[in-house]
Amino acid sequence: DTAVSQTPKYLVTQMGNDKSIKCEQNLGHDTMYWYKQDSKKFLKIMFSYNNKELIINETVPNRFSPKSPDKAHLNLHINSLELGDSAVYFCASSLGGGGNTQNFGPGTRLTVL
Amino acid sequence: QKEVEQNSGPLSVPEGAIASLNCTYSDRGSQSFFWYRQYSGKSPELIMFIYSNGDKEDGRFTAQLNKASQYVSLLIRDSQPSDSATYLCAVLNMDTGRRALTFGSGTRLQVQP
Repeated sequence: DTAVSQTPKYLVTQMGNDKSIKCEQNLGHDTMYWYKQDSKKFLKIMFSYNNKELIINETVPNRFSPKSPDKAHLNLHINSLELGDSAVYFCASSLGGGGNTQNFGPGTRLTVL
Repeated sequence: QKEVEQNSGPLSVPEGAIASLNCTYSDRGSQSFFWYRQYSGKSPELIMFIYSNGDKEDGRFTAQLNKASQYVSLLIRDSQPSDSATYLCAVLNMDTGRRALTFGSGTRLQVQP
């Protein structure tokens, strides 16, 4: 009965490759997020979707493209991976946006070689 | 100046002591304040949130907010080794329309048995 799940948990790839991370939530939430946490533990919002509509798009390279096929899923596709993309990517969801309690997924550790 | 600042630590306290974690923020319009706990290699989990000046207690945890000083803190009474984790402070300003949490980089707490 996992609330927010992400796949894969670990992703090791070469520079220049394209990769995707998938996220699913079974909480009935209507808002989903992608965060990036760097090596210094700084957690930064990248994107947010509410009812499949993009509502937050932070200053993120356009190599990163989120896609929300439905309210329960938010995927992240990354083109032309760079060394600096290495981080842990967390998906989260909430009922309504803003300050409502966000449930985080287990994270995907991306390592770009 | 970072939007949300925390001392990275580690903050080391003996078991049974009170741990005091502090956070300052730069956006005076911030309305909601959150404390998340993150164990090593795990995802953040919400401990407490506070909206009004003053104290809010929940079990061994007390959140304190002083909007005039732009300061929020988390007290953990009777600290246990299981409290050893990184504590992330997050703030929210709904008026900006951004409606996303801004996180600090976290304070690492070590509770010594």
